[in-house]
Amino acid sequence: GESVGLHLPTLSVQEGDNSIINCAYSNSASDYFIWYKQESGKGPQFIIDIRSNMDKRQGQRVTVLLNKTVKHLSLQIAATQPGDSAVYFCAENGRRDDKIIFGKGTRLHILP
Amino acid sequence: DTEVTQTPKHLVMGMTNKKSLKCEQHMGHRAMYWYKQKAKKPPELMFVYSYEKLSINESVPSRFSPECPNSSLLNLHLHALQPEDSALYLCASSQDKRTGPQPQHFGDGTRLSIL
Repeated sequence: GESVGLHLPTLSVQEGDNSIINCAYSNSASDYFIWYKQESGKGPQFIIDIRSNMDKRQGQRVTVLLNKTVKHLSLQIAATQPGDSAVYFCAENGRRDDKIIFGKGTRLHILP
Repeated sequence: DTEVTQTPKHLVMGMTNKKSLKCEQHMGHRAMYWYKQKAKKPPELMFVYSYEKLSINESVPSRFSPECPNSSLLNLHLHALQPEDSALYLCASSQDKRTGPQPQHFGDGTRLSIL
């Protein structure tokens, strides 16, 4: 079946360090992946996306890596700040319709 | 601030009430979505509208009735809900997928509590 999941439910990172959030997916037909950030009391906020014909994509302080061989996706956040505290979801879309499947989420906790 | 606006932000209703959730976007997006999110869980898809037509219904109970009056508006009509329907209801929109895969942009949701 299809599933998108995360390895760790909670990740604690020292302020200023880099954060790496991982995601595994099982649908080899998935061709589009998205990372969302959800802060308390808010809806998911789009961070960055990547298509399956790419291995890496960079944004402002964020990088997404895609390893299709092992069906693994990661989000790297450089110089983590207190404002990065949130739950991070990976999501995938592998069909012709508009449905995306969310992973379980990882809570990023920033240590002072 | 998001570009997808949802009202009301909070709603408390009894099991016999009828209420509606509203969603609005002015980004010219042609697909709109309703999701349900329980605490500490990912959003779960309920409905998808594409070009104002219902394209996906994820076997949602009939006590939830979606409506898309025009390309900018999406409603979710609620009637005879159960306590387990208490959740955060999220609306999202996205551009036409026919031009390539597109991310969905979410509102901040309506926090619904059923008494």
